[in-house]
Amino acid sequence: TQLLEQSPQFLSIQEGENLTVYCNSSSVFSSLQWYRQEPGEGPVLLVTVVTGGEVKKLKRLTFQFGDARKDSSLHITAAQTGDTGLYLCAGLRSNDYKLSFGAGTTVTVRA
Amino acid sequence: GAGVSQSPSNKVTEKGKDVELRCDPISGHTALYWYRQSLGQGLEFLIYFQGNSAPDKSGLPSDRFSAERTGGSVSTLTIQRTQQEDSAVYLCASSLALGTSGGAFLDTQYFGPGTRLTVL
Repeated sequence: TQLLEQSPQFLSIQEGENLTVYCNSSSVFSSLQWYRQEPGEGPVLLVTVVTGGEVKKLKRLTFQFGDARKDSSLHITAAQTGDTGLYLCAGLRSNDYKLSFGAGTTVTVRA
Repeated sequence: GAGVSQSPSNKVTEKGKDVELRCDPISGHTALYWYRQSLGQGLEFLIYFQGNSAPDKSGLPSDRFSAERTGGSVSTLTIQRTQQEDSAVYLCASSLALGTSGGAFLDTQYFGPGTRLTVL
């Protein structure tokens, strides 16, 4: 049973379109991270959000942490083919050093 | 080589055999993690090492799995009597330290490319 549920599992869009990936849980997290993973490589950290309601922007990527610190979203504006990859969310609970990962969302941006 | 390296990149073995997977962390990183990534699943925590402290082995799925870290650097994950359900990508990550007490912040984990294990 995954502690973090990601949706959708797969997403295929045309270049220039927007997309949103969701990460939900019934558990409260002290922080939540988003990673991007390309085939044959390990995940690379994109962002860490810590405060409930926090919004962070990384160029065309916007990350939001839910007010109750149980959920998060990743929004990509005007997607590019270089955004293609597996997006993973991972949560950290208080007094713990072990990340719990969602199953991931595979994003394909078509030219 | 500035990143985390893992070897071998691919390993095919027969059911019942033992395998050893190696991880070379970034120099100076005191924390080292092992994860397993199965098809369609996210990363599953297996074990972490922090300096000279006792490792957190709470994620190891069975006593067939063990790991050691020699001299605070290289780590080896050993799987004994492999089973088909052990087939997965095994990822190693290292970080400067674990993070702040209370777990609000984790030091950034840098992942290796993984070892793809196939048990026939």
